[in-house]
Amino acid sequence: QAQVLQSGTEVKKPGASVKVSCKASSDSVSDYGIVWVRQAPGQGLEWLGWSTFYSDKTKSAQKFQGRFTMTTDTSTRTAYMELRSLRFDDTAVYFCAVGIAAPYMDVWGKGTTVTVSS
Amino acid sequence: SYELTQPPSVSVIPGQTARITCSGDTLSKQYSYWFQQKPGQAPVKVIYRDTQRPSEIPERFSGSNSGTTVTLTISGVQAEDEADYYCLSADSSGVYWMFGGGTKLSV
Repeated sequence: QAQVLQSGTEVKKPGASVKVSCKASSDSVSDYGIVWVRQAPGQGLEWLGWSTFYSDKTKSAQKFQGRFTMTTDTSTRTAYMELRSLRFDDTAVYFCAVGIAAPYMDVWGKGTTVTVSS
Repeated sequence: SYELTQPPSVSVIPGQTARITCSGDTLSKQYSYWFQQKPGQAPVKVIYRDTQRPSEIPERFSGSNSGTTVTLTISGVQAEDEADYYCLSADSSGVYWMFGGGTKLSV
């Protein structure tokens, strides 16, 4: 079963961009889909979007369309999410998860804390 | 848009049965999933496709669907089951997904 390793804590200013990585350990990762979920402090889970590992199919939640992008580097088995034009309320823990079938949430990363602060 | 509605909290005495509901119009057409999350940890899937339980999840966890409401039932609740629980489902197109607001289970 795949394991996923996420990048470390980020601190950004409002208006900046953040890119979080999610590296999968499985050699068969090309069969997987990837999901990004976030959780603001003290709040619930929020689905951001999903992508096939080859990024040939992606869908992001409508509220993030235009400033949220998912990409993958198949040579390193690493997926990325980028969130642009950061706002204070983007402060959250960002999780990636992978799986064979929708909703692609079989194996989760430990989360990456993103803090937006001036 | 659509939404999934959960009660904010459920309290139960150890050994009793806990039931957590999730309501939404698309639940009669789309599968539901349930996740358990303990403080400082990533979520763990405890039920998938309405009623299926991953092999590593204890048998006391079960799921059911009665149209536009799905229910997570924990029989013989143990102290270790105290956590936040989230339902998840897709919109009518099956493309966009959404979590319920979460339910804090106190044991």
